[in-house]
Amino acid sequence: GENVEQHPSTLSVQEGDSAVIKCTYSDSASNYFPWYKQELGKRPQLIIDIRSNVGEKKDQRIAVTLNKTAKHFSLHITETQPEDSAVYFCAASLNYGGSQGNLIFGKGTKLSVKP
Amino acid sequence: DAGITQSPRHKVTETGTPVTLRCHQTENHRYMYWYRQDPGHGLRLIHYSYGVKDTDKGEVSDGYSVSRSKTEDFLLTLESATSSQTSVYFCATTTGAGDIQYFGAGTRLSVL
Repeated sequence: GENVEQHPSTLSVQEGDSAVIKCTYSDSASNYFPWYKQELGKRPQLIIDIRSNVGEKKDQRIAVTLNKTAKHFSLHITETQPEDSAVYFCAASLNYGGSQGNLIFGKGTKLSVKP
Repeated sequence: DAGITQSPRHKVTETGTPVTLRCHQTENHRYMYWYRQDPGHGLRLIHYSYGVKDTDKGEVSDGYSVSRSKTEDFLLTLESATSSQTSVYFCATTTGAGDIQYFGAGTRLSVL
């Protein structure tokens, strides 16, 4: 089955710097890759996602890149702000045919943005 | 937040007692999921449902059962709670496989 590894487990940056979180997946047939942000004591919320027919997607200060050949995808946050401090989860799923498309999550990255 | 309500939000129980957690959604989403979240493990799928009375096991299903008698409700039951089931439980829903999953606020369960 699918396995998703996420690195680093913790990341500390200065406000205004960029942050990059990387994930690798094992099943080359996986075709949907969402990123969730979870603030302390809150529910996970989708911040951006990408499908396998696209190599990059941006939404303001957030971008995701996908390298299907290497089976990895990354979250890029530019001009970080203290409110970006949270735990970020990547996930992968396979969606076609009889597949149920269940998400397999990475173990999370705790991002701390220092003012 | 996609109209997902989890109840109770917090529960403390004793080892060996049965526990039922409820997930209620008002979005008419076909798919519903139960995850547990533990430090260092991320979100792990317990069970999921792809329609009324259609359920299947996830990655960590041992010790848990589920039922879905109507579209809006998905129940997670711990038949005999153990301390290893102390965790935060999240329900999620989606319109279809591979679509955005929306999460409930979570239930913090402590088994003493």
